[in-house]
Order: sequence, then C-alpha cells, then structure tokens
Amino acid sequence: DIVMTQSPDSLAVSLGERATINCKSSQSVLYSSNNKNYLAWYQQKPGQPPKLLIYWASTRESGVPDRFSGSGSATDFTLTISSLQAEDVAVYYCQQYYTTSSLTFGGGTKVEIK
Amino acid sequence: QVQLVQSGAEVKKPGASVKVSCKASGYTFIAYYMHWVRQAPGQGLEWMGIINPSSGGTSYAQKFQGRVTMTRDTSTDTIYMDLSSLRSEDTAVYYCARDVSPGSTLAGRYWGQGTLVTVSS
Repeated sequence: DIVMTQSPDSLAVSLGERATINCKSSQSVLYSSNNKNYLAWYQQKPGQPPKLLIYWASTRESGVPDRFSGSGSATDFTLTISSLQAEDVAVYYCQQYYTTSSLTFGGGTKVEIK
Repeated sequence: QVQLVQSGAEVKKPGASVKVSCKASGYTFIAYYMHWVRQAPGQGLEWMGIINPSSGGTSYAQKFQGRVTMTRDTSTDTIYMDLSSLRSEDTAVYYCARDVSPGSTLAGRYWGQGTLVTVSS
C-alpha cells in the first residue's frame, strides 16, 4: 500500500495568517500517461463527515473558498490556507487514489487558532 | 440534491457481524462508485473498500479482506457493508461516500451521515 505521511500533526495559526499542511507519499502518485497527480484533500470538523476540498492535487471542489489551494507533484504535496478564518478550524486529510484497489489516507493535521 | 442516508447506530458483541446500509438519492445510482470509510474514536480515516453499483464488483482494502462484504440493491438504490468477526477495534463510525466522477475511483464527494458501530461484550 502507498503510505501517506502528513506533517505537522497539528498547527496553530493566527486569524488571517497562512496555514501550510504537508503530505508525502511513499511512492509517486503522478500518472505519467495523463500527467495527473492522484491526490485529494479533505476537511473534517468535529461530529461531521469529511468534506472534499481538492482533487487532482490542485482542483478545488465547487463552493470551496479560494483561500484553499493545493500544490505539489509526484510524492510531495501541500494544502495551503492563505488567510485562516475561524471556520477553518478542523482536521485536514490527504488521500491518494493512484492505487484504485487500495486508497489510503494520511494521518491528519489538526488546525487551530493561535 | 444528492443524499446518502445511512442506517442507525449498532451495538454488537465480539464475534458477531454487522450490516450497515446506505441509501442513495438525487442521482443515477448505478453511475457512481461508492466507498466505505471508517473512523475509530479520536482517530483518522481508514478506507475499507469500494463497490461498483452497476456491476456489483468490489475491491477491498487488504486489511479487511475475508471479513468485509459490500453489496448493492439496484431496486432500492442502496448499498450495504457487512463486517464479520467483530472485535473491539472495529468500534468506529462507518461512512459511505459517493465518488466524484462517473465510473471512476477518485475521492468521496458526497458522504453519508455516518453510522456508529460499537463492539462491546
């Protein structure tokens, strides 16, 4: 299985400041035939199911604020919240779908307000 | 609008089985693959497997092979996840999720509300 490793485990950011979450895969999730990275990002708030934010590493889901952006390629990816809002307090997960028979999630990163 | 409505909470004894349902509405049921994902208390997300509602074809995470069975009923637009030989470590919230694109295995765009399964003697 592809192992997804997120860092940091948690971070505290002041309102209006940038939050950066990293995700590293144990092998490349870049498909050479279509040059797409098979990676998604989710946000989960307490007591709620996950919410899809980004897929194909950088394609923002409809309705997701543009302060959320995804970047990276192959094995190293980043989710950036450009200006943290109070409603962004949540746990964020990356997930690879390169191996369609065995999708895997990162361990999660908890974002709090400093 | 797309809705996924799951069955209610369950309490099971170790060694028993549990069957969780997920009823879909608001879209063409057979067009989109469906995932099952679980989350133990205070822990992260764990992908369990996927079902193609059109063919009934499945793919399970290796960890659950031999213990999990995913099925669908196209007459009621419902999928099911059956987990057997339950142990305390299976205590978790179980989610169904519909994929992003028709006929693809990408990510979960729409999610059910979750079903808490508690395994306790």
